[in-house]
Amino acid sequence: AQSVTQPDIHITVSEGASLELRCNYSYGATPYLFWYVQSPGQGLQLLLKYFSGDTLVQGIKGFEAEFKRSQSSFNLRKPSVHWSDAAEYFCAVGDSGGYQKVTFGTGTKLQVIP
Amino acid sequence: EAGVAQSPRYKIIEKRQSVAFWCNPISGHATLYWYQQILGQGPKLLIQFQNNGVVDDSQLPKDRFSAERLKGVDSTLKIQPAKLEDSAVYLCASSLGRQGRTDTQYFGPGTRLTVL
Repeated sequence: AQSVTQPDIHITVSEGASLELRCNYSYGATPYLFWYVQSPGQGLQLLLKYFSGDTLVQGIKGFEAEFKRSQSSFNLRKPSVHWSDAAEYFCAVGDSGGYQKVTFGTGTKLQVIP
Repeated sequence: EAGVAQSPRYKIIEKRQSVAFWCNPISGHATLYWYQQILGQGPKLLIQFQNNGVVDDSQLPKDRFSAERLKGVDSTLKIQPAKLEDSAVYLCASSLGRQGRTDTQYFGPGTRLTVL
């Protein structure tokens, strides 16, 4: 069964600092990978996704993620964090088979301090 | 393009009462998902529809939860009777649902349910 681990429950960074959120997945074949962001009281918004091809994926709001098959990782990065990036971030792995099932991690809550 | 619509946004009920949530997906999206998100956790899939058929309801507590998607468009999720542990945000999502690939899911704002 597919699964996702986000080892950091809560991360605090200073505004302007760089950010890396960790994500490890378990899936038998080549996975579909996603990062979503959820602001308080809102639904989830897609930041970026990896299906195939270039392992460095660019997303919205200046985020990027790198797929590393050897490490089963898909870490999310941003070079300079803005206060508006404070939110909860979810990594997810999708089934490349027929039913498109997506499994989410438990999330990492990002706090940004001025 | 209109997004995924959900109603109500908030609901407070007492345990053993019943409640229903409604979801209208993005037009043309064949796949519709209902997720339960308990505070501090990631979304957990309850049920997945492809058009008006169920493809995965393995984590749906069928003794109290039910869902339908009439005519392959909008959907209703019902809880009867509710328990305290059902307090959560219920998220609806939809995707194109193309054969053999995992399309991006687009989420609605969710319904926050509080069971007292």
